[in-house]
Amino acid sequence: AQTVTQSQPEMSVQEAETVTLSCTYDTSESDYYLFWYKQPPSRQMILVIRQEAYKQQNATENRFSVNFQKAAKSFSLKISDSQLGDAAMYFCAYRTGNQFYFGTGTSLTVIP
Amino acid sequence: KAGVTQTPRYLIKTRGQQVTLSCSPISGHRSVSWYQQTPGQGLQFLFEYFSETQRNKGNFPGRFSGRQFSNSRSEMNVSTLELGDSALYLCASSLGITENEQYFGPGTRLTVT
Repeated sequence: AQTVTQSQPEMSVQEAETVTLSCTYDTSESDYYLFWYKQPPSRQMILVIRQEAYKQQNATENRFSVNFQKAAKSFSLKISDSQLGDAAMYFCAYRTGNQFYFGTGTSLTVIP
Repeated sequence: KAGVTQTPRYLIKTRGQQVTLSCSPISGHRSVSWYQQTPGQGLQFLFEYFSETQRNKGNFPGRFSGRQFSNSRSEMNVSTLELGDSALYLCASSLGITENEQYFGPGTRLTVT
């Protein structure tokens, strides 16, 4: 069975610092996609970044980047120069075919 | 382009009642997925619809059902509500069932008393 594990229920980071959120997944598939979603308090969930499993290069979106280790089935999210607006629940998600699996989330607090 | 909309945003029901939630996807999107979000369980997949057909179903009891209309709008129904059904129900749309990106609506907060 495919599962997504986020082992850090809560994380905090000082404003302007860097934080890394971890995610591991379990799959027997070779073709899949990985995502990080952000859900600010009482606001809509939005896509932060995505990674295709067949691509070796790590995805980057401005201050957000991933460290994708396919063999280790690890997909961590690095947020650089953290801002107050980054405070949110972050979900790691995995998709293969037409199935989506989400982790339980990491709540990120940004300290001014 | 308007985003995914869900109605109502908040709902309070009592045990044993039934409820219907509505989701309007982004214009042009034909796939709609439903998720249940609770603090303890995170996001759990309920089902996915494409072209009015249920393509995928999560591990939820038969009390949870859904449908999709020809305009891609979708409804989710929960019958015989239980206290444990209290959750945020999220709808997400994508262009098709093989599209990688889903766009989420704001959710419907259901409270069962």
